[in-house]
Amino acid sequence: DAGITQSPRYKITETGRQVTLMCHQTWSHSYMFWYRQDLGHGLRLIYYSAAADITDKGEVPDGYVVSRSKTENFPLTLESATRSQTSVYFCASSESRHLNEKLFFGSGTQLSVL
Amino acid sequence: AQTVTQSQPEMSVQEAETVTLSCTYDTSESDYYLFWYKQPPSRQMILVIRQEAYKQQNATENRFSVNFQKAAKSFSLKISDSQLGDAAMYFCAYEGTSYDKVIFGPGTSLSVIP
Repeated sequence: DAGITQSPRYKITETGRQVTLMCHQTWSHSYMFWYRQDLGHGLRLIYYSAAADITDKGEVPDGYVVSRSKTENFPLTLESATRSQTSVYFCASSESRHLNEKLFFGSGTQLSVL
Repeated sequence: AQTVTQSQPEMSVQEAETVTLSCTYDTSESDYYLFWYKQPPSRQMILVIRQEAYKQQNATENRFSVNFQKAAKSFSLKISDSQLGDAAMYFCAYEGTSYDKVIFGPGTSLSVIP
């Protein structure tokens, strides 16, 4: 099915473990983004990518790593998970850099770090 | 730095009535975009309406309209004839001239009472 899919939908891990959240889109959109959603903060941009092999930091990048070897995939890795990274993570894509071109969001991954 | 504030963490409205959600923002830029996103319990992020700052006319999408007051830096969302399906978290968002300045507000949780 066309669209943007995230996996897993739910994940529980322990402090210090490495965790990778997957994001796949079928539209061949150039831009992809990772946000985290926390109560009282709305959505905050972690990283974004303008194209394959091009990534840049957003508002809250510390503790996260991204890669974009293929246009359709944009995985987010927590190299050593901390409790403060417990959150709901959203992947999104768009045709262009600007939000007015409309963001397409995945269904989110709820991550709990114990 | 730009900020987006939604001063109403929770609101409720009777079915078929009208409700207004508030959003204020702070910026020194003159050119920007403003958005309202809806997030139902499914966690999907759905674009409700968007407004270009250079347009004086308020945007309207069916039962949804905005009151954009540029000088006051206010961007409220009015939902007319509220329906049960309107129950969701609503996020106000601001986009400046560079993508890493996209900012979401903390959200307003809207309940619709039958």
